[in-house]
Amino acid sequence: GDSVTQMEGPVTLSEEAFLTINCTYTATGYPSLFWYVQYPGEGLQLLLKATKADDKGSNKGFEATYRKETTSFHLEKGSVQVSDSAVYFCALMEYGNKLVFGAGTILRVKS
Amino acid sequence: ETGVTQTPRHLVMGMTNKKSLKCEQHLGHNAMYWYKQSAKKPLELMFVYSLEERVENNSVPSRFSPECPNSSHLFLHLHTLQPEDSALYLCASSQGDRGPGANVLTFGAGSRLTVL
Repeated sequence: GDSVTQMEGPVTLSEEAFLTINCTYTATGYPSLFWYVQYPGEGLQLLLKATKADDKGSNKGFEATYRKETTSFHLEKGSVQVSDSAVYFCALMEYGNKLVFGAGTILRVKS
Repeated sequence: ETGVTQTPRHLVMGMTNKKSLKCEQHLGHNAMYWYKQSAKKPLELMFVYSLEERVENNSVPSRFSPECPNSSHLFLHLHTLQPEDSALYLCASSQGDRGPGANVLTFGAGSRLTVL
């Protein structure tokens, strides 16, 4: 079945450092790919998405490119802030209403 | 009120209790979901309701019983739970008929359940 694998955390960075959180997926067809973020005490919210190969999703300085050849959707940000500290979830949706998540990666940014 | 609201935010129950979690959405969405979030595990999809009909039941034990009386409300009835059922239960809603690329879920803040 469909699955998502993302790098284990926690990831600890200093403010203004470069961020990469790796995400790879397994799917039988051509899924849509998502990054969701969960801030402390809150539910998940959509950060960005891409619906086909080579699409780049972007939001709030975060970017991720849908790479079909490597089945990847890595999340990047050029300069993280303390306010970016959260849990980041990579997810895919191939059909219907079934959104499949990775395990989540905790990001901690120090000032 | 806007968004997805879950109550209670925290619940402690014994293994023989019966309790319910409630979810309400004010977004006009037609699909609602229950997810289970446990430490260091991927979010597990439990149930999906589309247009008030259950369309997904991910092999969830019968001690969890969902109910969707209308498109704005979703309940999760809990009965004779086990300690390993302790987790954060997340409700979400979406406009489920727009295809995978446009089916963006809006989540509530979750109900933290502890089973003693």
